[in-house]
Amino acid sequence: ELKVEQNPLFLSMQEGKNYTIYCNYSTTSDRLYWYRQDPGKSLESLFVLLSNGAVKQEGRLMASLDTKARLSTLHITAAVHDLSATYFCAVDMRFGAGTRLTVKP
Amino acid sequence: DTAVSQTPKYLVTQMGNDKSIKCEQNLGHDTMYWYKQDSKKFLKIMFSYNNKELIINETVPNRFSPKSPDKAHLNLHINSLELGDSAVYFCASSQGVFTGELFFGEGSRLTVL
Repeated sequence: ELKVEQNPLFLSMQEGKNYTIYCNYSTTSDRLYWYRQDPGKSLESLFVLLSNGAVKQEGRLMASLDTKARLSTLHITAAVHDLSATYFCAVDMRFGAGTRLTVKP
Repeated sequence: DTAVSQTPKYLVTQMGNDKSIKCEQNLGHDTMYWYKQDSKKFLKIMFSYNNKELIINETVPNRFSPKSPDKAHLNLHINSLELGDSAVYFCASSQGVFTGELFFGEGSRLTVL
């Protein structure tokens, strides 16, 4: 059975700091997706990573994929309050548990 | 135009009742899904249809029955509702099976009393 594991599950950051969220998975898939969910809202796609070594960046977020290690990272640079949300990674339509990020001033 | 739309957005009902949630997508996607998100935010895939054919049927009580009249619609009917069915149910679609990003509806919050 496919397992998708994220850590940490909860992350409280100060504005301006950097941090990384990790996503490990147990299948040989070479596609991984990151989604964002704001409280009380639906999920929206952030990044689509389609091959080993893929790197995507948007604003203060950068995602990468290492299919050999079955690992993806979501790096946050100089966090701002607007990034507060829950972030999910997904492989083969299965989701990790989510990382609830809170950015404090 | 909303890409993936679900109705109703909120349902409050008593244990033992039957309820349905409807989903429609106008993206031209071939594959649609139902997910359940519990109070801890865990997202669990329940069902997936590709061109009206059931392709994923996770370990879900048979009180839950999906139905896809055409590839743009996927409905979820729940019989004999239980307290544990309380959750947010999300419909989603993607271009292919296990490929492509998921586009989610706004969710339907079900509360069973």
